[in-house]
Amino acid sequence: DSGVTQTPKHLITATGQRVTLRCSPRSGDLSVYWYQQSLDQGLQFLIQYYNGEERAKGNILERFSAQQFPDLHSELNLSSLELGDSALYFCASSPLGGRNTEAFFGQGTRLTVV
Amino acid sequence: SQELEQSPQSLIVQEGKNLTINCTSSKTLYGLYWYKQKYGEGLIFLMMLQKGGEEKSHEKITAKLDEKKQQSSLHITASQPSHAGIYLCGADMGRRALTFGSGTRLQVQP
Repeated sequence: DSGVTQTPKHLITATGQRVTLRCSPRSGDLSVYWYQQSLDQGLQFLIQYYNGEERAKGNILERFSAQQFPDLHSELNLSSLELGDSALYFCASSPLGGRNTEAFFGQGTRLTVV
Repeated sequence: SQELEQSPQSLIVQEGKNLTINCTSSKTLYGLYWYKQKYGEGLIFLMMLQKGGEEKSHEKITAKLDEKKQQSSLHITASQPSHAGIYLCGADMGRRALTFGSGTRLQVQP
């Protein structure tokens, strides 16, 4: 158990809908990362938050947004969903926001868009 | 990512055999992370390498980072069915988040 908790584990929704994925980082970790894992693209970095502030952006679509709350949990919002958004979405956390820190991953949320 | 090439893409070995997975970067790395993923589950951190020539071992798994810090190998000795899964290398290329290889799917046949 990495200590990173993601909910829900599975989500099935229709195209055009909006969903929210939730992540609770390990106790004491200030940094949260969101990744998308699909069969054709592999594991892609979406966005990082550090202590409530956006720190880095990766390949995140404009239809997607995230935030980190004062209690450090984070939410990833996906809107106007398309079939191609079906993927595993992972959250990872680390103690600091810089490099060379181990990132601990949650179990992921499997999103299926039908 | 084409910046980080992982090979082989898949591997089937007999239980008890040794195997090696490679991860090659087009750039010098600040650090290299190895993770294991069971199908459809989260990533389990295995090891992190930072210094050129560094080698780390945990149980039957050894990871090395070459002197130039552009290539890493993960070696499993006397493989067991419990080693089956997807092995991912993640590279610190000086960005905020890791860049991951495409993964190596390992099957170990009893």
